[in-house]
Amino acid sequence: DVKVTQSSRYLVKRTGEKVFLECVQDMDHENMFWYRQDPGLGLRLIYFSYDVKMKEKGDIPEGYSVSREKKERFSLILESASTNQTSMYLCASRTTEHNSPLHFGNGTRLTVT
Amino acid sequence: KQEVTQIPAALSVPEGENLVLNCSFTDSAIYNLQWFRQDPGKGLTSLLLIQSSQREQTSGRLNASLDKSSGRSTLYIAASQPGDSATYLCAVRFGLIFGQGTELSVKP
Repeated sequence: DVKVTQSSRYLVKRTGEKVFLECVQDMDHENMFWYRQDPGLGLRLIYFSYDVKMKEKGDIPEGYSVSREKKERFSLILESASTNQTSMYLCASRTTEHNSPLHFGNGTRLTVT
Repeated sequence: KQEVTQIPAALSVPEGENLVLNCSFTDSAIYNLQWFRQDPGKGLTSLLLIQSSQREQTSGRLNASLDKSSGRSTLYIAASQPGDSATYLCAVRFGLIFGQGTELSVKP
């Protein structure tokens, strides 16, 4: 079974801190994604990566950056955390094949105070 | 711009009922469509994936259909159980665009 692991289940950070959210997958997937999920707004794509060292902006990249130095790891970085970045963050991965489903991690609930 | 809509936002049914969840999209260039289940506070679990050239997929009590000409997919759940209570989401274009989900409650 594919496993997508997000390093923290719950995280509390202060405004202005630099925050790193880590995601690791164990199935050699090329594509990786970061979303945030908020009540009433659904899942929104922040960034995705087609392969190592590649990144593409999603719908809401402002205030975020990403790093993909190794194929199995995709990091989301909040350069200077703000209270409006309090949210559930979800990571996912898939292969490049057309019939490849998305596999999700369990999410990181981030609170910025 | 592709938009994905799931109506209703919430649904409550008695146990044993057959039910249909809807997913509508505005652009037929979906590439594929995937249905997920999400339990409270958890990540998403993949249920079914339909490629754009397919009409339906089945897994156990679940059947997903796709009609690109009408911009619609449905997820049919047969003989619903309380354990089916969750939020159901659909996504198109390899997961780039999600609907907002339908929160299903199955009452014993």
